[in-house]
Amino acid sequence: EIVLTQSPGTLSLSPGERVTLSCRASQSVSNNYLAWYQQKPGQAPRLLIYGASSRAAGTPDRFSGSGSGTDFTLTISRLEPEDLAVYYCQQFGSSPPFTFGPGTKVDIK
Amino acid sequence: QVQLVESGGGVVQPGRSLTLSCAASGFTFNIYGMHWVRQAPGKGLEWVAIIWYDGSNKYYADSVKGRFTISRDNSKNMLYLQMNSLRAEDTAVYYCARKDAAPGALGIWGQGTMVIVSP
Repeated sequence: EIVLTQSPGTLSLSPGERVTLSCRASQSVSNNYLAWYQQKPGQAPRLLIYGASSRAAGTPDRFSGSGSGTDFTLTISRLEPEDLAVYYCQQFGSSPPFTFGPGTKVDIK
Repeated sequence: QVQLVESGGGVVQPGRSLTLSCAASGFTFNIYGMHWVRQAPGKGLEWVAIIWYDGSNKYYADSVKGRFTISRDNSKNMLYLQMNSLRAEDTAVYYCARKDAAPGALGIWGQGTMVIVSP
C-alpha cells in the first residue's frame, strides 16, 4: 500500500500570496497518477489536478501541479479568499488501495 | 447534467447492516469504474472500494474487507455499498465517485450520505 504524506498540515496566508503544498509518496506512483482535490467546508471534494500536472475542467489557472515519482506539489500562484479549503492528494498507482493523503488545510488571514 | 446522488444513510446499531445506493445520471454509466469514499466527522478522506465498469473486478480497503460489498446494476444506473457488521469507526459521510475521463482521478462526486453507527 502506498502511503501519502502531506505537508504542512495547516497554513494561514494572506490573499495574493503564493501557496505551495507538498504530497510525498512512500513509493513511486505509477504513471504519475497523482490527483489533487479541493474540499470546501460542507461540500464534497472537487477534482483540481490529475496526472500530477493536468488541470481538470474548470480549475482556475492559478492552480498548478508538478512533480513525479514520489514527490508532488500543488501551487496556488495567488491566493484568493475562495481558496479557503482542505486540499487532498490521492494516488492511483498500479493497484488498489487508492489512498489519500491526510490533507492540508489552507486558511485565509 | 452529470450527477451522482447517494441515499440510504442513517443511524444503525453496531453489528447491524445497511445498504447505500448511488443513482447516476447524465452520463453513460456502464463505461465507468465507480468508487466509494468515506469521511469520518472532522477527519480526512478514506478510499473504501472500487468496482470495474462491468462489475468484473472489485477491490476494498483493508478496513472494510470482508464486511462491505460493492456492486452495481448497469441496467438501472445504480451503484451500491452493502455494509455488514458495522462498527462505530464506520461512522462517516459516504461519497460515491466516478472515475474521471482522464485516468487516475475521481472526476465526479455525489453530495454524500451520512452513516452513524451508535447503540
